[in-house]
Amino acid sequence: KNQVEQSPQSLIILEGKNCTLQCNYTVSPFSNLRWYKQDTGRGPVSLTIMTFSENTKSNGRYTATLDADTKQSSLHITASQLSDSASYICVVIPHNTDKLIFGTGTRLQVFP
Amino acid sequence: DAGITQSPRHKVTETGTPVTLRCHQTENHRYMYWYRQDPGHGLRLIHYSYGVKDTDKGEVSDGYSVSRSKTEDFLLTLESATSSQTSVYFCAISESTGTYEQYFGPGTRLTVT
Repeated sequence: KNQVEQSPQSLIILEGKNCTLQCNYTVSPFSNLRWYKQDTGRGPVSLTIMTFSENTKSNGRYTATLDADTKQSSLHITASQLSDSASYICVVIPHNTDKLIFGTGTRLQVFP
Repeated sequence: DAGITQSPRHKVTETGTPVTLRCHQTENHRYMYWYRQDPGHGLRLIHYSYGVKDTDKGEVSDGYSVSRSKTEDFLLTLESATSSQTSVYFCAISESTGTYEQYFGPGTRLTVT
């Protein structure tokens, strides 16, 4: 069964610190992997999209990496800000389908 | 929220009553989707549409029906609401599939008592 698992489930960091969120998936083959940010009470918003052949993609202070051999992706947040407090969701799209498979997310809280 | 509105934003209803949620877009995107989000689960696809009057089932479609009579509107109907359908419902749109972005609406919180 195609699965996407994220760790940790929740994370607390201090403002200004860096953090890394993990995503392990069993989906194979896949066409692309995405990271979304979801603020409380809002819909998810895309941060990065990587095809299976890419191994890194940046969006400002957010950098996603992909290791297709180990079926792992990570999202690194640099110099965290209070506004980074949100859930971060890893999504994998299997090859030859447009169905998104969502992870359950990592809840990040940034404190001053 | 990329020109997507959902209505109502919050609803409380009783078991057994019909409920219709509306998604409206101003982007003229071809594809529209309904998801539900529950604690401990990733977002799960209920139904999707790939054009006017063209719809298909997702992974959790039982108890739900959809209709799309215009490009801009996608309706989700719970014919007879059950407590297991208490959830947050998100509509999404995309121009196409593959690497095309899916844009999500603000969500509708539905409580079935």
